[in-house]
Amino acid sequence: DAGVIQSPRHEVTEMGQEVTLRCKPISGHDYLFWYRQTMMRGLELLIYFNNNVPIDDSGMPEDRFSAKMPNASFSTLKIQPSEPRDSAVYFCASSHSVGRQETQYFGPGTRLLVL
Amino acid sequence: GDSVTQMEGPVTLSEEAFLTINCTYTATGYPSLFWYVQYPGEGLQLLLKATKADDKGSNKGFEATYRKETTSFHLEKGSVQVSDSAVYFCALTPTSGTYKYIFGTGTRLKVLA
Repeated sequence: DAGVIQSPRHEVTEMGQEVTLRCKPISGHDYLFWYRQTMMRGLELLIYFNNNVPIDDSGMPEDRFSAKMPNASFSTLKIQPSEPRDSAVYFCASSHSVGRQETQYFGPGTRLLVL
Repeated sequence: GDSVTQMEGPVTLSEEAFLTINCTYTATGYPSLFWYVQYPGEGLQLLLKATKADDKGSNKGFEATYRKETTSFHLEKGSVQVSDSAVYFCALTPTSGTYKYIFGTGTRLKVLA
C-alpha cells in the first residue's frame, strides 16, 4: 500500500490567498484526521471524518478553515483567506477505526508558509 | 482534561549511549499509551504501544512500560544509533469518549557518530 498521500508537500503563498491541501487516505480506512503542527502549539487535531462524514470539527481554529471529504479516497483542507499565523505543517492521517488501541497512519505532511 | 507531558529536548547522545525519554500523563481510568516517531521530512509513525497497566511495548530495540502507579510511559533504548535521530511523541487515547489522540509536544533526539 502506498500509505497516506498528501499534496502539495510544500506551499508558499501570500496572505489573503486561498490554500487547498489534499489527502488520499489508505484504502479501506474509515477514519480520516487532519492535524496541524507548530512549534508553539505542537500537534493539534483539527477535524476528523468517519465514512466521509465530519464527526468532530472542534479543533478547527476559525471559519477561515474548512474541510471536506467527498468520497472515501479524497479529502481537502481549505484556508480562505490565509494568514501568516496559519504557517505550519499540516498532516493527514487515517485509521481503520477509532478504538483505544487503534494506530493512526500519517502522511508526510504539507509544509505551509504564508507570507 | 487528559494530557501528556514529555521532557524538553533536544536530547543529544553519542552513538551506543543509553536513551531515556520521559513521558507522564494525566487521565482518568486506563488510557492506551503510544510512542510515535517522526523522522526528518516524514509523518509520524507508530513505534510502540501499551494498552493496560504493566504492559511493555517494544519495537526496534525501544521499550516502554505502562506504569499506572507513576502515570508514566518512559521510552528507553539500550544503545542508540545515528539513524534513531528523530522527534519522539508520547500520546494517549482516553478511556472513554471519542478516542481522540492526545499528543505530547515531542522530544527531539540527535545521535552523534
